[in-house]
Amino acid sequence: GESVGLHLPTLSVQEGDNSIINCAYSNSASDYFIWYKQESGKGPQFIIDIRSNMDKRQGQRVTVLLNKTVKHLSLQIAATQPGDSAVYFCAEKYTNAGKSTFGDGTTLTVKP
Amino acid sequence: EAQVTQNPRYLITVTGKKLTVTCSQNMNHEYMSWYRQDPGLGLRQIYYSMNVEVTDKGDVPEGYKVSRKEKRNFPLILESPSPNQTSLYFCACGKLNQPQHFGDGTRLSIL
Repeated sequence: GESVGLHLPTLSVQEGDNSIINCAYSNSASDYFIWYKQESGKGPQFIIDIRSNMDKRQGQRVTVLLNKTVKHLSLQIAATQPGDSAVYFCAEKYTNAGKSTFGDGTTLTVKP
Repeated sequence: EAQVTQNPRYLITVTGKKLTVTCSQNMNHEYMSWYRQDPGLGLRQIYYSMNVEVTDKGDVPEGYKVSRKEKRNFPLILESPSPNQTSLYFCACGKLNQPQHFGDGTRLSIL
């Protein structure tokens, strides 16, 4: 079968390395997925999103991959920098619905 | 500057004393929502509003009320707060089917 990454509550990487943060979502009807970054003392901030008609989307230094077969989402950060240290959350929702469900979050620490 | 403003940012109060956390947005967005954040549990949705006078329960609505009398404001009301409502609260707004904009949070401690 297909292998996907495990969700880890914490991830520590060296500056300059690539980071991969995983998320398993719960509702097979969800068709819109968002990654947020939360820095200490602040609210979550939007990073990148993807809709279910795509399986990959790229932004600046970030890529989101969606595997609907196993209900898995991942966020890849290239050349991780100290400023990337934060808690990262995935969120899922269904188009036109008001409910949003967030994952438990992964704390990323970037070592200089 | 696009903003979601929550007040107060911090509050320590006692069980049973009614309190209101205000949330105001200047982006003219129809959708607004309240979340609570607890260690190890991520963000859980309390209530949301799709438009003025339209509110719905999220996953953890017990013990909370909201109102949406005008588009920019979405207050969260705790009629009789209890210690299990001690948490970090976030208000958010956005266009439906677009990412949400979050406030900086309100830390409530109920003794």
